[in-house]
Amino acid sequence: QVQLQESGPGLVKPSGTLSLTCAVSGGSISSSNWWSWVRQPPGKGLEWIGEIYHSGSTNYNPSLKSRVTISVDKSKNRFSLKLTSVTAADTAVYYCARVGYCSGTFCSPVGIDPWGQGTLVTVSS
Amino acid sequence: QSALTQPASVSGSPGQSITISCTGTSSDVGGYNYVSWYQQHPGNAPKLIIYEVSNRPSGVSNRFSGSKSGNTASLTISGLQAEDEADYYCGSYTGSSTVIFGGGTKLTVL
Repeated sequence: QVQLQESGPGLVKPSGTLSLTCAVSGGSISSSNWWSWVRQPPGKGLEWIGEIYHSGSTNYNPSLKSRVTISVDKSKNRFSLKLTSVTAADTAVYYCARVGYCSGTFCSPVGIDPWGQGTLVTVSS
Repeated sequence: QSALTQPASVSGSPGQSITISCTGTSSDVGGYNYVSWYQQHPGNAPKLIIYEVSNRPSGVSNRFSGSKSGNTASLTISGLQAEDEADYYCGSYTGSSTVIFGGGTKLTVL
């Protein structure tokens, strides 16, 4: 089954750029699914950051849109997140995930499944 | 976009049933059957437990059920068990091609 694994620096300086990569295994990133990033500040709820299709089409959270770029590398079966001008408010566990639920040959476009294990990114000097 | 509205906490005794509500607008919850629910235990990633309002992924207990009326979706857990104690989040597609989550509900099994 599809598995996702986030990687990237765990510490970013204020005003810097947060960069994370999500490696997809057990399936192709070129399947008929979107791929997303979701974050969760410590002790708080989930916040959807955005999503990308293998064609490169993207959708972003309006509140983050000016600072976010999500890209895809089909040759490496992975997608990435860049968040610029970070502040302490961007400290969170960042998850990558597949959009849609699939079981066997059935796929629904609804739901986020599976999720990566998440990676904590702290913004601090 | 504002978060969907969920109660901050609910509780119930083992064997009882509880319901968690998730209120949005006609631009998200009420406009599409694209509501999903997630269970998150401390230190773990969220897990999809309901998609398309009322469908359960393979392997999810049939004690979990979902429904929707107007702009409010609901998650019901019947036959509460200690292992159900977790945070629960609803999520919905919006007409702006984005996803919005609820603020989360902490379920305590007494």
